[in-house]
Amino acid sequence: GEDVEQSLFLSVREGDSSVINCTYTDSSSTYLYWYKQEPGAGLQLLTYIFSNMDMKQDQRLTVLLNKKDKHLSLRIADTQTGDSAIYFCAESSNKLIFGAGTRLAVHP
Amino acid sequence: DTAVSQTPKYLVTQMGNDKSIKCEQNLGHDTMYWYKQDSKKFLKIMFSYNNKELIINETVPNRFSPKSPDKAHLNLHINSLELGDSAVYFCASRHSGTSGRLYNEQFFGPGTRLTVL
Repeated sequence: GEDVEQSLFLSVREGDSSVINCTYTDSSSTYLYWYKQEPGAGLQLLTYIFSNMDMKQDQRLTVLLNKKDKHLSLRIADTQTGDSAIYFCAESSNKLIFGAGTRLAVHP
Repeated sequence: DTAVSQTPKYLVTQMGNDKSIKCEQNLGHDTMYWYKQDSKKFLKIMFSYNNKELIINETVPNRFSPKSPDKAHLNLHINSLELGDSAVYFCASRHSGTSGRLYNEQFFGPGTRLTVL
């Protein structure tokens, strides 16, 4: 069945890079997404990648997709305290399947 | 403001009661969703409606009954509330066609935190 897995916690120092990893099972996924959830708020689409791409860069965000290994990663350069949130990886064919979310904590 | 809105934001109720959560979107989308996020932040899809028709119904107890009076609204009615129903419920919407966009982003509401005592 469809499944998305992520590590649950990541702690980084302000200014360092953060890398959040995700694996998924559905090879028919057309798009893969990264959503951000700040405390007490809904989910906000951060970035996405089409399944025929290997990499996408958007300012401080870099998404890498290894379709063979079904591995997706999100790199945040120069991580700031405002980046502290839960990051959800999601795959979609006809519906969004979310990972459990990675809680990113940024400390000075 | 164009957005997905939900009411109420917080709902505290006793076990056994019946309650409703409402969702409205003014984005012109034709597909709407209900998700449940539990205390461990696991987010699972419950239902999806496209043009007022149910298209996704995950393994959800039939105490949960969604209703879509029109494309802009998707309400969730819950009968005989149980302790395990305590969670944050998110509504989302998207446009199902391509409309020149490469992807069909789902826009999420702010969530309704349901606490069953």
